[in-house]
Amino acid sequence: AQSVAQPEDQVNVAEGNPLTVKCTYSVSGNPYLFWYVQYPNRGLQFLLKYITGDNLVKGSYGFEAEFNKSQTSFHLKKPSALVSDSALYFCAVRASSGGFKTIFGAGTRLFVKA
Amino acid sequence: EAGVTQFPSHSVIEKGQTVTLRCDPISGHDNLYWYRRVMGKEIKFLLHFVKESKQDESGMPNNRFLAERTGGTYSTLKVQPAELEDSGVYFCASSPRTGPETQYFGPGTRLLVL
Repeated sequence: AQSVAQPEDQVNVAEGNPLTVKCTYSVSGNPYLFWYVQYPNRGLQFLLKYITGDNLVKGSYGFEAEFNKSQTSFHLKKPSALVSDSALYFCAVRASSGGFKTIFGAGTRLFVKA
Repeated sequence: EAGVTQFPSHSVIEKGQTVTLRCDPISGHDNLYWYRRVMGKEIKFLLHFVKESKQDESGMPNNRFLAERTGGTYSTLKVQPAELEDSGVYFCASSPRTGPETQYFGPGTRLLVL
């Protein structure tokens, strides 16, 4: 069965410092991996995705994520955090051979302190 | 281009009542998805439409939930009769027809069953 784990409920980081939001997944076959962000009272916004190719994926707002097949991880990173990055982040996975059903993690709240 | 819209934004009903949620996908998107997030938990897949056909409804909790997409445009999700555990945020998403495409999410409907 497909699953996504986001082990941290909350991540706290100071503005200007690098940030990492962790995600591990379980899926049969090759994964499609996604990160979404949710700001207060808004829907989920797409940040980036890994489909195939280069393991380092660059996305919106300076975020990037690295696909690590051996560790089944897809951690979200940003070199220098902004206060405006404070939001709820969701990792998601879909099996490349299993239809369109997407499995989401429980979310990680990122808090960037000025 | 208009995004995915959902109506209502909030709904408070009593146990046993009926509620109907509506989702208008991005124009031209054949794929439409319903998800639900219960407080603090993961976003759970409910079902997936391709045009007017249900492709995967494996996530529907029980037969109190009925989703329709007549004409392949907007979709409704009816809960009848509502129970306390149905409370949560119901998200709708849509995507174009082909590929491992990004899903575009609506702002969600917050449902509270008292």
